[in-house]
Amino acid sequence: QKEVEQDPGPLSVPEGAIVSLNCTYSNSAFQYFMWYRQYSRKGPELLMYTYSSGNKEDGRFTAQVDKSSKYISLFIRDSQPSDSATYLCAMGFGTGGYNKLIFGAGTRLAVHP
Amino acid sequence: NAGVTQTPKFQVLKTGQSMTLQCAQDMNHNSMYWYRQDPGMGLRLIYYSASEGTTDKGEVPNGYNVSRLNKREFSLRLESAAPSQTSVYFCASSGRTLGTGGMAFFGQGTRLTVV
Repeated sequence: QKEVEQDPGPLSVPEGAIVSLNCTYSNSAFQYFMWYRQYSRKGPELLMYTYSSGNKEDGRFTAQVDKSSKYISLFIRDSQPSDSATYLCAMGFGTGGYNKLIFGAGTRLAVHP
Repeated sequence: NAGVTQTPKFQVLKTGQSMTLQCAQDMNHNSMYWYRQDPGMGLRLIYYSASEGTTDKGEVPNGYNVSRLNKREFSLRLESAAPSQTSVYFCASSGRTLGTGGMAFFGQGTRLTVV
């Protein structure tokens, strides 16, 4: 079993839809959680960063962490064609000595006009 | 702002050839990383450098070597390329180490094909 599971999609939605992207994980030691957006043939760019449980909102994007269920989500409101990209979740430990992020495989999202 | 710059952007190698991928960051970050990205596998850490003068193996280090030339630059070397090393390689940097809550910023990638 992978440490981080993410549905690869593709997910196709009409413009204006609410999009929900999710990851599950198995290691309860993860303490911080990120979402990266990756356009085709580009490097990942950091979209959202959260520490511990709860919600974080930034414009049309909301990141949600449920540590009790080992489940994180990214919601995109009023989706736009420019949101079409691959979304990667990433998780890390809050203590030193284990210097890496664990990435999900990514979910491909297509928003059509 | 340049951020993290990787060269080259594309490369085709023959099996057994060697090459060095270059990475430089201008954000004054202490930590730098090399990842590879393969379809369905996500990003996997090859090597990292927590600070200038130190390097450590990541998840998939076999067949690679690295050099932290100075605070700005971190290179990845393939001594004898194999078809299994066909991948997209990303360099990243962070102000704090990823093990203490740092956020990784990525370059644009090097698309490597080994034939």
